[in-house]
Amino acid sequence: DTEVTQTPKHLVMGMTNKKSLKCEQHMGHRAMYWYKQKAKKPPELMFVYSYEKLSINESVPSRFSPECPNSSLLNLHLHALQPEDSALYLCASSQRVARGTYEQYFGPGTRLTVT
Amino acid sequence: GENVEQHPSTLSVQEGDSAVIKCTYSDSASNYFPWYKQELGKGPQLIIDIRSNVGEKKDQRIAVTLNKTAKHFSLHITETQPEDSAVYFCAASSTGNQFYFGTGTSLTVIP
Repeated sequence: DTEVTQTPKHLVMGMTNKKSLKCEQHMGHRAMYWYKQKAKKPPELMFVYSYEKLSINESVPSRFSPECPNSSLLNLHLHALQPEDSALYLCASSQRVARGTYEQYFGPGTRLTVT
Repeated sequence: GENVEQHPSTLSVQEGDSAVIKCTYSDSASNYFPWYKQELGKGPQLIIDIRSNVGEKKDQRIAVTLNKTAKHFSLHITETQPEDSAVYFCAASSTGNQFYFGTGTSLTVIP
């Protein structure tokens, strides 16, 4: 089973709203990721959590706040977003399959529209 | 950091023909090269990968080749079918927790 689930599938929010995206995996993976993807572009890394600790923050604006409550869950809290933040937000997790090699699996994404 | 280039950006083939997508990378420390297929409205799906100690890997109609000396790797799809139509991304990784993606190839298989 290589399933990463994300909720909600779609989200429309105003610029003053606060909302959260949720991601879950039960594969025992110890690294989890948030990516942002614009149309016709590759996924753009936002955050990486390794063993529930934030290990990479790709200079993401503070209006995006990640949280990893436990090894299976990853949240992305959204506040005061801008219309240009509208995108597909992808969660992923990865497992070590060999020394220095990790396989990464993506969830279906949350389509976010900021109005 | 790593830089991954991917060509072509769009590719149209007749059903039954083969499709080849090529990627180059810059960091000689990269040792893992996955390929993802992304259908419209869905997340990327890992379809095949190759590690730096292997030159070729095949899984039914798809295969990946790696040339470490030239720092390039390719995805080959044979006997293409309409359901192969999607955007394909290559990626490279060296540290394990960070993946660098190519710019994507939009493949259209014409029935």
